Amino acid sequence: DAKTTQPNSMESNEEEPVHLPCNHSTISGTDYIHWYRQLPSQGPEYVIHGLTSNVNNRMASLAIAEDRKSSTLILHRATLRDAAVYYCILSKSGGYQKVTFGIGTKLQVIP
Amino acid sequence: NAGVMQNPRHLVRRRGQEARLRCSPMKGHSHVYWYRQLPEEGLKFMVYLQKENIIDESGMPKERFSAEFPKEGPSILRIQQVVRGDSAAYFCASSPWTEMNTEAFFGQGTRLTVV
Repeated sequence: DAKTTQPNSMESNEEEPVHLPCNHSTISGTDYIHWYRQLPSQGPEYVIHGLTSNVNNRMASLAIAEDRKSSTLILHRATLRDAAVYYCILSKSGGYQKVTFGIGTKLQVIP
Repeated sequence: NAGVMQNPRHLVRRRGQEARLRCSPMKGHSHVYWYRQLPEEGLKFMVYLQKENIIDESGMPKERFSAEFPKEGPSILRIQQVVRGDSAAYFCASSPWTEMNTEAFFGQGTRLTVV
């Protein structure tokens, strides 16, 4: 199974952009890149996902490298509410496959 | 449309007792996934179920753990003869499709404490 690598923790100042990196050098052509986040004492929450092209939604943007071996989740203006653990995971298309969450990146937002 | 509902939110059991964790998926979702999260760790897959079928239980411990998703009612994760090492947060997720490459919805989790 393809794995992802993320920094254990990052800090950001409030109202500044945050770039959360994820490496997935063994990604296959059918793997989607997903990001979830988990606020303290809550269940994971979907953020965004993509396959090849960059994606935007109301929560964040996802920038995917041309070779797809890495991606970056971009929070355009960090708020205190964005302090959470962010998980980058891979999920194949076409039928079931179990999704494994790593340790993720713990984002601290400084007021 | 209510989200994924898990209950209880907190559960305390003495060693040797049974723990039953319930998960009601979102309306229209027929696929349920259970995960376990130990303190300071990521979520680890336990089992994937469709209505009345266990599709993948490769993440379940071989003994004491079982899961079901009956035709009617919530999915149940059952832990028999609990031990201290079972203390963790248990999350369930549901999706409308087989594939998890669309958005999956997670519940708030059940925090099990074994004393």
